[in-house]
Amino acid sequence: DQQVKQNSPSLSVQEGRISILNCDYTNSMFDYFLWYKKYPAEGPTFLISISSIKDKNEDGRFTVFLNKSAKHLSLHIVPSQPGDSAVYFCAAIDWGGAQKLVFGQGTRLTINP
Amino acid sequence: DAGVIQSPRHEVTEMGQEVTLRCKPISGHDYLFWYRQTMMRGLELLIYFNNNVPIDDSGMPEDRFSAKMPNASFSTLKIQPSEPRDSAVYFCASVRAPNTEAFFGQGTRLTVV
Repeated sequence: DQQVKQNSPSLSVQEGRISILNCDYTNSMFDYFLWYKKYPAEGPTFLISISSIKDKNEDGRFTVFLNKSAKHLSLHIVPSQPGDSAVYFCAAIDWGGAQKLVFGQGTRLTINP
Repeated sequence: DAGVIQSPRHEVTEMGQEVTLRCKPISGHDYLFWYRQTMMRGLELLIYFNNNVPIDDSGMPEDRFSAKMPNASFSTLKIQPSEPRDSAVYFCASVRAPNTEAFFGQGTRLTVV
């Protein structure tokens, strides 16, 4: 039962343009959502998060949007840079309940010069 | 703090052998998660602990997998006997509640031949 889904295995974007990574979830009890970035041979590193009581959180070039009614969140990167090329994982947790931190399948983002 | 430390970084073993993966969480963190990275399921949650107590092991694929956390600074994931399909990268992550950011180790790449 994949509670967090990233349906795009890969995404290719031109440098300077906007990258949009998408994520869907099924468990309405999730109260925090996170995005992680992973480079080869390294562990995932935290990028940005959003509480379920918000619909937007911004940190520099990174913005996460949450649409609770659609059970959908997205990560926007503007402008995209070559160093952004990595695998991005969406994650969710229900701190008030099972407290399981679950991840999606990941999306490989490639920024082309 | 040195972060989450996993050992070994790489493990190559023969089918049927016992394999033990180790994790040292960040001091003061009260949650510890074990994940397996696969192409199909991304970061698959295997088991997690809260204050050294296993809370949910429903993600453990088979009885061949077991995990322990004898104290706050050490956890093991054991596979006995190992099979080629267990080959993957295994990650450990720790969290200090109520923060939502999980810190990951660099992973153990397991190859069972």
